[in-house]
Amino acid sequence: KAGVTQTPRYLIKTRGQQVTLSCSPISGHRSVSWYQQTPGQGLQFLFEYFSETQRNKGNFPGRFSGRQFSNSRSEMNVSTLELGDSALYLCASSQTPGTSPSYNEQFFGPGTRLTVL
Amino acid sequence: GENVEQHPSTLSVQEGDSAVIKCTYSDSASNYFPWYKQELGKRPQLIIDIRSNVGEKKDQRIAVTLNKTAKHFSLHITETQPEDSAVYFCAARRNTGKLIFGQGTTLQVKP
Repeated sequence: KAGVTQTPRYLIKTRGQQVTLSCSPISGHRSVSWYQQTPGQGLQFLFEYFSETQRNKGNFPGRFSGRQFSNSRSEMNVSTLELGDSALYLCASSQTPGTSPSYNEQFFGPGTRLTVL
Repeated sequence: GENVEQHPSTLSVQEGDSAVIKCTYSDSASNYFPWYKQELGKRPQLIIDIRSNVGEKKDQRIAVTLNKTAKHFSLHITETQPEDSAVYFCAARRNTGKLIFGQGTTLQVKP
């Protein structure tokens, strides 16, 4: 099976712009979670989508949004970019979290490195 | 809200020694506790996980222990090797809740 893929891998934007990141989960996985990783803050949970519905949300401002499509692919959008949004954005997919131990494992993508100038 | 505290933030050991990383969680309803290893420039990968109905789980040189009463869980790596050098993250979640990660521990194994 192909792993989790994310596009683009690298992105450079300027303050005030918006950006859309894409994540394709492992085939058969229906849950996609997004994380922001920075050296000082570790892995911060953004949101989780399951069956096209946002099931969980982290403590990020409304500038961060996401969605999931019927094929389980997910996108996240950041509007009005700030310098502090520079980070590695990771997505992770899993089968059906919460129903069985084996379904809880999250498989991470390679991440999108966003730099805001 | 939910929180996971991880200690230490950095750990340096000699090859062959053991390494222990500890985490404390705040949500008493948490029932799933994975550990991820992230090598430099790579994605996090699951190395071991434990559910709340089990007190200890072992996989070769890696073991995880869970104390539900104290809301503590720990990762134990024995006979460390240079390739164990990486950042290790603990995490906790409840059923369909969000996965909350600790701050990470940078482990350096000196040959």
